[in-house]
Amino acid sequence: DQQVKQNSPSLSVQEGRISILNCDYTNSMFDYFLWYKKYPAEGPTFLISISSIKDKNEDGRFTVFLNKSAKHLSLHIVPSQPGDSAVYFCAASAFQGTYKYIFGTGTRLKVLA
Amino acid sequence: DVKVTQSSRYLVKRTGEKVFLECVQDMDHENMFWYRQDPGLGLRLIYFSYDVKMKEKGDIPEGYSVSREKKERFSLILESASTNQTSMYLCASSHPRLAVYEQYFGPGTRLTVT
Repeated sequence: DQQVKQNSPSLSVQEGRISILNCDYTNSMFDYFLWYKKYPAEGPTFLISISSIKDKNEDGRFTVFLNKSAKHLSLHIVPSQPGDSAVYFCAASAFQGTYKYIFGTGTRLKVLA
Repeated sequence: DVKVTQSSRYLVKRTGEKVFLECVQDMDHENMFWYRQDPGLGLRLIYFSYDVKMKEKGDIPEGYSVSREKKERFSLILESASTNQTSMYLCASSHPRLAVYEQYFGPGTRLTVT
């Protein structure tokens, strides 16, 4: 049973426009969420995080929104750049004495120049 | 900068071989993880360790074991490699006292079992 879902396997966006990547989760105990970016032949790199006590966190061009009632988070990239083309993973954790994250299946973003 | 290194970028092994994947981190992190990444399945946790000689099963531990004899090194062992273990293997580490709890990943090992 997939506890963290990214229902869009791929997304294409024009350079300069907004990219919106979505993530849904089923476990209401999750209280910390992260987004990672992965280029081919490299390991994932941390992008941005959000705690369940917040509904928004912003870092430069990247903003993550959390809707706890809908069990949904989204990553907004504005403006999108060709260098943002990568696979994006969301991850969720319930810190109850463990350090485990559950990762989604990933969304491949392609930003068209 | 945190650095997580993995012993091989590409590995080809035969069915039934014993395979060792090594991971080393240089930031004194307590926590270390092994994942596999497969198309359409994302990253799935195989094992993790939160201290030397401590280990816990992740979501898909079958067919794998791990060893953590030193804090900086976490090894993944495929006791008898099978074709369904062909995958990208990713090692990660994290520091439990960091507020963000982000994980730092190595570059990955693409393992092919023939």
